[in-house]
Amino acid sequence: KAGVTQTPRYLIKTRGQQVTLSCSPISGHRSVSWYQQTPGQGLQFLFEYFSETQRNKGNFPGRFSGRQFSNSRSEMNVSTLELGDSALYLCASSLSGERGQMYGYTFGSGTRLTVV
Amino acid sequence: AQSVSQHNHHVILSEAASLELGCNYSYGGTVNLFWYVQYPGQHLQLLLKYFSGDPLVKGIKGFEAEFIKSKFSFNLRKPSVQWSDTAEYFCAGVGSASKIIFGSGTRLSIRP
Repeated sequence: KAGVTQTPRYLIKTRGQQVTLSCSPISGHRSVSWYQQTPGQGLQFLFEYFSETQRNKGNFPGRFSGRQFSNSRSEMNVSTLELGDSALYLCASSLSGERGQMYGYTFGSGTRLTVV
Repeated sequence: AQSVSQHNHHVILSEAASLELGCNYSYGGTVNLFWYVQYPGQHLQLLLKYFSGDPLVKGIKGFEAEFIKSKFSFNLRKPSVQWSDTAEYFCAGVGSASKIIFGSGTRLSIRP
């Protein structure tokens, strides 16, 4: 089966702009999580969506938001971009249960965002 | 797990040497632990996972990890490393409400 697909792979934006990243999970996976990876901070959890509802949220400002559609595809939006938002944004899909049980966790290749 | 710690930031080994990367977690109820690898320029790949049962878990590419509950550890091992094992390795655990928590990662460099 197809893996986790993230688009676009690379993105260059200017400070102050907004950006939308997309993630298509593995077929049948209802949970989608987003992470920010930077050399200094490592992998930081952004949020998790399950069945179109945000189930978990990390410690990021409100400029970072997301949503999930009925087909489990997810989008992440960052508004008013700052230089520090430059990072690799990773999406992971999971066969998660209703009570949050995690069965497998597969990452996409990520979107490399550069803010100039 | 509520937190995951990796104390080795950078490990340098020669080919054929044995590898052990440390990972400690804080107890948080049900223990679900993972090791991921990220090769240069590539995405995260699952090496192995522990949910329950046999504490010695075998993964891909000859890696294994042992869950030792008394030590809150889940160290990654490989008896003989190859140059192609050069990568960054992340230990992770399931935190509260199904959130995956990653350690800070260990960069492994293998000298040919």
